[in-house]
Amino acid sequence: GEDVEQSLFLSVREGDSSVINCTYTDSSSTYLYWYKQEPGAGLQLLTYIFSNMDMKQDQRLTVLLNKKDKHLSLRIADTQTGDSAIYFCAESAYGSSNTGKLIFGQGTTLQVKP
Amino acid sequence: GAVVSQHPSRVICKSGTSVKIECRSLDFQATTMFWYRQFPKQSLMLMATSNEGSKATYEQGVEKDKFLINHASLTLSTLTVTSAHPEDSSFYICSARTSPSGEYFGAGTRLSVL
Repeated sequence: GEDVEQSLFLSVREGDSSVINCTYTDSSSTYLYWYKQEPGAGLQLLTYIFSNMDMKQDQRLTVLLNKKDKHLSLRIADTQTGDSAIYFCAESAYGSSNTGKLIFGQGTTLQVKP
Repeated sequence: GAVVSQHPSRVICKSGTSVKIECRSLDFQATTMFWYRQFPKQSLMLMATSNEGSKATYEQGVEKDKFLINHASLTLSTLTVTSAHPEDSSFYICSARTSPSGEYFGAGTRLSVL
């Protein structure tokens, strides 16, 4: 079945770049997403990438997709203390038998030290 | 971006009572909404897909009679936890999809059953 894996924890210093990695198994994934969750809150869609793209940049966020290795990464430039949160990678596969539901990774806790 | 409102944000109830959680899409119509459950320090677990005008589709292992879902209109889905017990205590999150590239989440409901 589908599976999405992430490392559980990342600690960086304020001003550094953060790179959060994710691997997935479903080769029919059409969209891959990054969500941010702050304590006690719902999920905020940060960005997404379509499977025929290699890279997408949106201000401080850069998403890289290696479809051959089924590897997705999220780079946050100039990381700020407000970026401290849990980051979830998710994938969906429209047109497959799973009706396009999102499959989430376990979440990566990003800790930003001043 | 699209806004999904979830209410209440927090509820405490006695064992055996039923609790209703509402999920509304405020600025768009959603034929499909999703209900998730999240345990502390864990990822989101999809419980069911709520379809406007038809029965919800439940994931394997989710009790249909325990978690009643009604999608009465294109902007409202409700989840009723019937005869709640302490093991039902959790963080429940809804989402609505505007397109394959966008699934937007409510802020979540923290349910505590005493």
